[in-house]
Amino acid sequence: EADIYQTPRYLVIGTGKKITLECSQTMGHDKMYWYQQDPGMELHLIHYSYGVNSTEKGDLSSESTVSRIRTEHFPLTLESARPSHTSQYLCASTTTGRTYEQYFGPGTRLTVT
Amino acid sequence: QKEVEQDPGPLSVPEGAIVSLNCTYSNSAFQYFMWYRQYSRKGPELLMYTYSSGNKEDGRFTAQVDKSSKYISLFIRDSQPSDSATYLCAMTLSGGYQKVTFGTGTKLQVIP
Repeated sequence: EADIYQTPRYLVIGTGKKITLECSQTMGHDKMYWYQQDPGMELHLIHYSYGVNSTEKGDLSSESTVSRIRTEHFPLTLESARPSHTSQYLCASTTTGRTYEQYFGPGTRLTVT
Repeated sequence: QKEVEQDPGPLSVPEGAIVSLNCTYSNSAFQYFMWYRQYSRKGPELLMYTYSSGNKEDGRFTAQVDKSSKYISLFIRDSQPSDSATYLCAMTLSGGYQKVTFGTGTKLQVIP
């Protein structure tokens, strides 16, 4: 099993609250990703990182922000949650040159009421 | 039009059946073709990957890539109830490219 962890697994929160979804990996991977997954839809890349202090926005426009201060840690923050942010958020990591081999965390199911 | 098209299913088969899962794609520059398996309430896990065209076999699983038709397949022989999951095809331009394009996934149920 992959050594990549996400917390919380489930979160129900009210509109306007600030939330941080945590993602950590112990494999020493330099690349990390955040995806959004909705039922019947493909995974959409919302953020990725090549390494410490390197972050980029993905294909899907997102109001979230990320940071990469440590190799193993890649948290995602929503400053003001809205019902449209309700989704499954998946974190993944891989090593340079092996983008095809991504290791995924178990996901965070976020519901904004 | 989506870059990768995948029938969402659900696909229901009896135990022991041969399962065929397929994806089509539009970007001829894709070089790596992957199949991920996702169990309920879990993240996807890499099942197999193929570089360029051809077949690759791993136990009961066989992946095929036909670049001329822009069509990839995953075959599961002697399907088991434990194979019940959602199967996502995925593709990327190269090992060093930063992004992977995923299909929507096909939900498979193997009935005992």
